[in-house]
Amino acid sequence: AQSVTQPDIHITVSEGASLELRCNYSYGATPYLFWYVQSPGQGLQLLLKYFSGDTLVQGIKGFEAEFKRSQSSFNLRKPSVHWSDAAEYFCAVPSGSARQLTFGSGTQLTVLP
Amino acid sequence: DAGVTQSPTHLIKTRGQHVTLRCSPISGHKSVSWYQQVLGQGPQFIFQYYEKEERGRGNFPDRFSARQFPNYSSELNVNALLLGDSALYLCASSLSAGGNHNEQFFGPGTRLTVL
Repeated sequence: AQSVTQPDIHITVSEGASLELRCNYSYGATPYLFWYVQSPGQGLQLLLKYFSGDTLVQGIKGFEAEFKRSQSSFNLRKPSVHWSDAAEYFCAVPSGSARQLTFGSGTQLTVLP
Repeated sequence: DAGVTQSPTHLIKTRGQHVTLRCSPISGHKSVSWYQQVLGQGPQFIFQYYEKEERGRGNFPDRFSARQFPNYSSELNVNALLLGDSALYLCASSLSAGGNHNEQFFGPGTRLTVL
């Protein structure tokens, strides 16, 4: 079954610094991959998605992600982090007969002033 | 347009009780999925419904059940509550079921606490 792994449980960055959140996938063929963000007490909001084609995907809120088949990775990046980016970030892949989302365990982002 | 709505926002129950959680999808969406998110973990898939039929079920006990109504809203029922059922229950709606391109839109969730 398809799965994703997020190696970093918690990341702390200073406001204005760059950010990279890691996601590794386990799937033989080209996967479909998603990044979601969850603010405290909120549901999940889709940041971006990769289906095929260009390996660099642009999303909302200034985020981007790069699909690297050689590394089985789909890392999320942002050049300059804002305090409002503090949240939990989930990588996900559709799997199963219903193509339900299988999520990673998440990375909690703290932004220092 | 309204997004996915869920009710109630918070709920406190005791062990052994049952609970019903409700979800209204985005207008025009015909599929609803339910996920359980335990504190500190990613959401886990429970059910998917499309056109009132179950299309997928995750690895959850039979105490968990769901249904979808003609207006595409959905209920998740949990019987004989256990402490371990304490979690955020998320509902997601999508235009159709299955398909890798099928984007799911999530509601704010219902926070269930079992004492």
